[in-house]
Amino acid sequence: AQKVTQAQTEISVVEKEDVTLDCVYETRDTTYYLFWYKQPPSGELVFLIRRNSFDEQNEISGRYSWNFQKSTSSFNFTITASQVVDSAVYFCALSELSGAGSYQLTFGKGTKLSVIP
Amino acid sequence: GAVVSQHPSWVICKSGTSVKIECRSLDFQATTMFWYRQFPKQSLMLMATSNEGSKATYEQGVEKDKFLINHASLTLSTLTVTSAHPEDSSFYICSARKGGGIPNEQFFGPGTRLTVL
Repeated sequence: AQKVTQAQTEISVVEKEDVTLDCVYETRDTTYYLFWYKQPPSGELVFLIRRNSFDEQNEISGRYSWNFQKSTSSFNFTITASQVVDSAVYFCALSELSGAGSYQLTFGKGTKLSVIP
Repeated sequence: GAVVSQHPSWVICKSGTSVKIECRSLDFQATTMFWYRQFPKQSLMLMATSNEGSKATYEQGVEKDKFLINHASLTLSTLTVTSAHPEDSSFYICSARKGGGIPNEQFFGPGTRLTVL
């Protein structure tokens, strides 16, 4: 089973629309961390947010907001009033303590967002 | 702070040759570095974890004799793709973790695009 599932492979929205990217994760650990990254066409990963498993408060940063719900193992990402510059692939990732004793990141398959002007 | 560079940013080589990719932490000491591979339109897959001064730990299915990783200093890790073949063409991304920093925090390099003809 996938540890991080991003069911939406591709999404297209018209500029100024709101869009939510879904992320469902699976872990047996009580302590873990969740991340969202943006990967524009250049390829460089851009860190967006980190959330630990003990902090279920939702977060808002400008047009970005995140909804973390442990009850459904979800960590969804919403972009409000989308812009063309938001076009990118977005990855959700889970960080757990591995068997080797270090934290490792497991990435979802990514959601490609296209914002149409 | 926390800048990671990779060199080269892209490389084209002939089948059968070896290619070395460098990953440097520019403004911090990286006790642990990670190497990821990303095929087109796919997610990042962890190849190996390297700790400074010790042998790298490879993920299942990654050939350690083909992908040689050296982490000889706290600011430099290298990935050498030996006897490269077209199927090794991919986007290789490194990340680094600060010594004494947040254990799950990784800083990503900009990636190296390898094309094997």
